[in-house]
Amino acid sequence: SQQGEEDPQALSIQEGENATMNCSYKTSINNLQWYRQNSGRGLVHLILIRSNEREKHSGRLRVTLDTSKKSSSLLITASRAADTASYFCARDSGGGADGLTFGKGTHLIIQP
Amino acid sequence: ETGVTQTPRHLVMGMTNKKSLKCEQHLGHNAMYWYKQSAKKPLELMFVYSLEERVENNSVPSRFSPECPNSSHLFLHLHTLQPEDSALYLCASSPGQGGYEKLFFGSGTQLSVL
Repeated sequence: SQQGEEDPQALSIQEGENATMNCSYKTSINNLQWYRQNSGRGLVHLILIRSNEREKHSGRLRVTLDTSKKSSSLLITASRAADTASYFCARDSGGGADGLTFGKGTHLIIQP
Repeated sequence: ETGVTQTPRHLVMGMTNKKSLKCEQHLGHNAMYWYKQSAKKPLELMFVYSLEERVENNSVPSRFSPECPNSSHLFLHLHTLQPEDSALYLCASSPGQGGYEKLFFGSGTQLSVL
């Protein structure tokens, strides 16, 4: 499979704590993206990191990319109840029949 | 709102029905996509249109038929579906011409096939 794989599948933490989710992939990439999905809704783009970048920040989000290990992580700092959602990584390998390839996601629950 | 609108939000249909899903984007994007999201499975890319021409068709069964009359509208025509086709169908658009940078998704159509 060329899909990204998120780890863990589910994560429950207390409000205010940091949440870390990981993504692994198997083939080379142009970029890797993270999306959030609230229950029954569409996906919302969070952040894109290119293959020549190692770290990127956006507000409370921090994404790292290690192309040698073919892995990425998403860190959400100072979590809030509204961060409860599923988080997906998506890999762009530069087109082709696979398109933007998504993993199965990490379901994050923030306990108030 | 993401600028991508899908209708209907929910659809229940029998296996012999014919229905259509509609997607409209107000972002001036060049590419539009249909994805299928089933429980416990990753999103599956079904179709990609770039500048109104179909770019990708990932061996989707012929009971799903896409139509892109212009760069703002995308349809998915459904006929003689199977129960295993029940899923959330997501439309997305992106600025590029079929390249896979930042996708903007609609809220999806939750389809149930009886």
